[in-house]
Amino acid sequence: GNSVTQMEGPVTLSEEAFLTINCTYTATGYPSLFWYVQYPGEGLQLLLKATKADDKGSNKGFEATYRKETTSFHLEKGSVQVSDSAVYFCALRFSQGGSEKLVFGKGTKLTVNP
Amino acid sequence: GAVVSQHPSRVICKSGTSVKIECRSLDFQATTMFWYRQFPKQSLMLMATSNEGSKATYEQGVEKDKFLINHASLTLSTLTVTSAHPEDSSFYICSASEARGGPYNEQFFGPGTRLTVL
Repeated sequence: GNSVTQMEGPVTLSEEAFLTINCTYTATGYPSLFWYVQYPGEGLQLLLKATKADDKGSNKGFEATYRKETTSFHLEKGSVQVSDSAVYFCALRFSQGGSEKLVFGKGTKLTVNP
Repeated sequence: GAVVSQHPSRVICKSGTSVKIECRSLDFQATTMFWYRQFPKQSLMLMATSNEGSKATYEQGVEKDKFLINHASLTLSTLTVTSAHPEDSSFYICSASEARGGPYNEQFFGPGTRLTVL
């Protein structure tokens, strides 16, 4: 089956610290991988994605590389800001029944303190 | 672009009543809409997928008679929780996507609806 396991939070960092949120997946076939972010009171927003092995997704200083050999898609940012405080979800997308479905990890809450 | 709205954002109802939640794509035509349920500190769980003009496809374990989904137009899908009970209390999130190949073929998420059944 298809599943996503991501690092449990909460994660608390000081501003300008380095961030890593681990994500591993199990999938049949070749899924696309995503990181979504949910700011307080808002819906999920796509942060970045990668559609094939060795692809690197990047956005707003965040990066993640699709590693097929380790079935991982870890999220990193070199210097976090207070405004990065949010819940981060790792997800994979697969095709089933003519639709493309998403499977999510449980989410990791990040709090960045000034 | 790619804004999805949900209404209401929060609803409290009595046990046994039905509640309707609307999901709208505001600036694109959503050929497919998805409904998710999220429990506290849990992942989003896909409940059903609906294509405009077709019956929804429900995930295993989701009662289709309890969670009625209608996707009557390319910009509106509704989820009706029928005869709601306290165990139906949850955060319901919809997403919408355009057909493959279109600029909005990713899933775009609404802000969610918090349902509390007393």
